[in-house]
Amino acid sequence: DTGVSQDPRHKITKRGQNVTFRCDPISEHNRLYWYRQTLGQGPEFLTYFQNEAQLEKSRLLSDRFSAERPKGSFSTLEIQRTEQGDSAMYLCASSRGGSVHSSYNSPLHFGNGTRLTVT
Amino acid sequence: AQSVAQPEDQVNVAEGNPLTVKCTYSVSGNPYLFWYVQYPNRGLQFLLKYITGDNLVKGSYGFEAEFNKSQTSFHLKKPSALVSDSALYFCAVRDEPGGFKTIFGAGTRLFVKA
Repeated sequence: DTGVSQDPRHKITKRGQNVTFRCDPISEHNRLYWYRQTLGQGPEFLTYFQNEAQLEKSRLLSDRFSAERPKGSFSTLEIQRTEQGDSAMYLCASSRGGSVHSSYNSPLHFGNGTRLTVT
Repeated sequence: AQSVAQPEDQVNVAEGNPLTVKCTYSVSGNPYLFWYVQYPNRGLQFLLKYITGDNLVKGSYGFEAEFNKSQTSFHLKKPSALVSDSALYFCAVRDEPGGFKTIFGAGTRLFVKA
């Protein structure tokens, strides 16, 4: 278990630029999640994948945000035309599959996050 | 849709005293409940989860959680707090109608004073 890996750790960009983040989940985990966290707040759900299928996307997520998991392994999260309000920590997590019950019971394993600052 | 509430922004407790961090939830189906901890400058870590049928579940670092179906609560407890327990604690919930999405509470900051 090498853990969930996120790259980069920090990203500073100017307003209007596009950014892309990468997440490598734990290898045997088939579900991958993206969350956004601002200082002192709880993680806010953005989207999640089961294998390569994106099963749900938050209604709060604008169309400037897109995520992919092309081969069911790593995932990318892209933000187009960044705004200052996009500044946050972007967290990736993965969880194990299996039976339906065990899947619901499977906890999330988080990476250390990518901190985005939009100037 | 599922939701979770943590009514206290902050809990202060003296070292050696028992601690409780409160969590209430709202779900449409059976609840799947979790506690996570976030230490300063570190990622979120899983602490414990509700096991169906066990009203008191035990987790890492001596923490336990009490499930109460009638009060829809899942409070985090520890009999004797340590200064090193000071961190941000998040309650989280899934329910089957919601799929595998996990919803987090706003968090409770725990301060343990020596």
